Amino acid sequence: GNSVTQMEGPVTLSEEAFLTINCTYTATGYPSLFWYVQYPGEGLQLLLKATKADDKGSNKGFEATYRKETTSFHLEKGSVQVSDSAVYFCALKGSSYGQNFVFGPGTRLSVLP
Amino acid sequence: SQTIHQWPATLVQPVGSPLSLECTVEGTSNPNLYWYRQAAGRGLQLLFYSVGIGQISSEVPQNLSASRPQDRQFILSSKKLLLSDSGFYLCAWRVGAGVLDTQYFGPGTRLTVL
Repeated sequence: GNSVTQMEGPVTLSEEAFLTINCTYTATGYPSLFWYVQYPGEGLQLLLKATKADDKGSNKGFEATYRKETTSFHLEKGSVQVSDSAVYFCALKGSSYGQNFVFGPGTRLSVLP
Repeated sequence: SQTIHQWPATLVQPVGSPLSLECTVEGTSNPNLYWYRQAAGRGLQLLFYSVGIGQISSEVPQNLSASRPQDRQFILSSKKLLLSDSGFYLCAWRVGAGVLDTQYFGPGTRLTVL
């Protein structure tokens, strides 16, 4: 079945540091890929998505590129802020009709001033 | 625009008491609706999903149940809560097809069972 693997956290960075959160997936066909962010005490918010190979999703300074050859969708940001502290979830939607979303375990990011 | 509401936001219940959590969606028709649970510091566990009124699929056998009495309303229930039912309950909706297919989440309900 489909699955998503994320790097284990927590990740702790200083403000203005470069961020990478790794995500790899296993799926047949051409899934859509997503990153969600969860701030403390809140629900998940869609951060960005990509629906085909080599697509780059971007939002709020974050970006991720759909790499079919490496089955990866790593999240990056050039300069993190304290307000980026949250849990980040990688997810995929399979290409077959009716498949549910599959979420990774989440990666907690803490940004220190 | 579409919005999703969850009620209540926070709930503290004794073991053995009943539970009813409500989720309502505005601004869309015939959405797929989902209930997830998130234990403290953990990932998402899919509990139930519904593709239409009265249609419920269960992913994990447990003492919880779900109902969809109206197109935009999804309810999570229990007759007798267990300590292990504590967690953050998230409702989600999903619309669109193909590349537009995306899932959105509500604000969540924090349930503490004592």
